Amino acid sequence: EAGVAQSPRYKIIEKRQSVAFWCNPISGHATLYWYQQILGQGPKLLIQFQNNGVVDDSQLPKDRFSAERLKGVDSTLKIQPAKLEDSAVYLCASSLGGRVNTGELFFGEGSRLTVL
Amino acid sequence: ILNVEQSPQSLHVQEGDSTNFTCSFPSSNFYALHWYRWETAKSPEALFVMTLNGDEKKKGRISATLNTKEGYSYLYIKGSQPEDSATYLCASKTSYDKVIFGPGTSLSVIP
Repeated sequence: EAGVAQSPRYKIIEKRQSVAFWCNPISGHATLYWYQQILGQGPKLLIQFQNNGVVDDSQLPKDRFSAERLKGVDSTLKIQPAKLEDSAVYLCASSLGGRVNTGELFFGEGSRLTVL
Repeated sequence: ILNVEQSPQSLHVQEGDSTNFTCSFPSSNFYALHWYRWETAKSPEALFVMTLNGDEKKKGRISATLNTKEGYSYLYIKGSQPEDSATYLCASKTSYDKVIFGPGTSLSVIP
């Protein structure tokens, strides 16, 4: 079974530039998550999709971050314009989804962003 | 917003030592507790998923317990090996399908 695919693995940009990350979840997984992990902290949920609908984006900085999951499969996360504090690892994860599921997450390898 | 806490933040142990970490989480709206291991340059992988109060799970030298009434879980590693060096993440899934992570415990096992 193929795992969660993410790209790019690494990205270095200057502040005020834009960047986009892509994620392809495990086939059949209804729920897709984007987490931001800043060094020394735990992963922070940015946005959660159930199929192609947004379940939770309460911690997404909507003035600069956007995300979409077209057709309920793969997803993109965009940052425009980037700030220094956006330097982090962006983790995509998927799960079968649903309230009665135990919700084990399957992660991609992450996209490490450095903003200079 | 839920707060999931973990302690200690980091740990350095000698090879062969046994160790344990703590995860605390809000017991209201609890549905499941996850432990993940995150090795450098790899993706986090699930170690255990537990749902019932009193659950105990074991995988090789690693085991975990769950107390949903008081909102805590322990992860134990018996006879630590260098390959156990990683960040151990705890996450709580709520009854409304939200998965919140703690800050993690970074373990270094010194040969």
